[in-house]
Amino acid sequence: DTGVSQDPRHKITKRGQNVTFRCDPISEHNRLYWYRQTLGQGPEFLTYFQNEAQLEKSRLLSDRFSAERPKGSFSTLEIQRTEQGDSAMYLCASSRPGTGTYEQYFGPGTRLTVT
Amino acid sequence: SQQGEEDPQALSIQEGENATMNCSYKTSINNLQWYRQNSGRGLVHLILIRSNEREKHSGRLRVTLDTSKKSSSLLITASRAADTASYFCATDEDYNQGGKLIFGQGTELSVKP
Repeated sequence: DTGVSQDPRHKITKRGQNVTFRCDPISEHNRLYWYRQTLGQGPEFLTYFQNEAQLEKSRLLSDRFSAERPKGSFSTLEIQRTEQGDSAMYLCASSRPGTGTYEQYFGPGTRLTVT
Repeated sequence: SQQGEEDPQALSIQEGENATMNCSYKTSINNLQWYRQNSGRGLVHLILIRSNEREKHSGRLRVTLDTSKKSSSLLITASRAADTASYFCATDEDYNQGGKLIFGQGTELSVKP
């Protein structure tokens, strides 16, 4: 069990550019979640997958955001035409609720800075 | 949107003292979880309490849940400097459980040696 990994750990981009983040969940976990966290706040839910199906999307996920989990393993989160308000920590988590355990395991996050 | 509110927002204590953090939420839940976050890092799960449970222990942690008041508390006994972190409560309100978590704003705990 190597835990949840995220890449890159830090990303600095200019406003208007597109960025893509990757998350690799714990291998036997079928659910994968994306959250966004700004300084001094708790994480806010963005979207989650069960295997390759995207089950829920937050209203926070504007049409500039898209997430995929094509083979039910790793996931990508893309932000198009970035804005300064997108600057935040993007957290990925995974879980395996079918075993009766509901805790989520978080990755280290990707810190995005939009200049 | 964030469901929970946590109190206090910041807490500073001496090593060896107990720390109590409170969380309130707004809707019906399946379970409530507590997470810890060290500065600038990912969250670590601490403990989960189900909606039909009232109290749960894990090592130096004690969690209570009062569904009638829609509130929970986390007690850390005999605190250590290494307990310095932000603590978040999170509620799972999904019908089938295992869905999104709704986090509170967190309590920043500082334990001075």
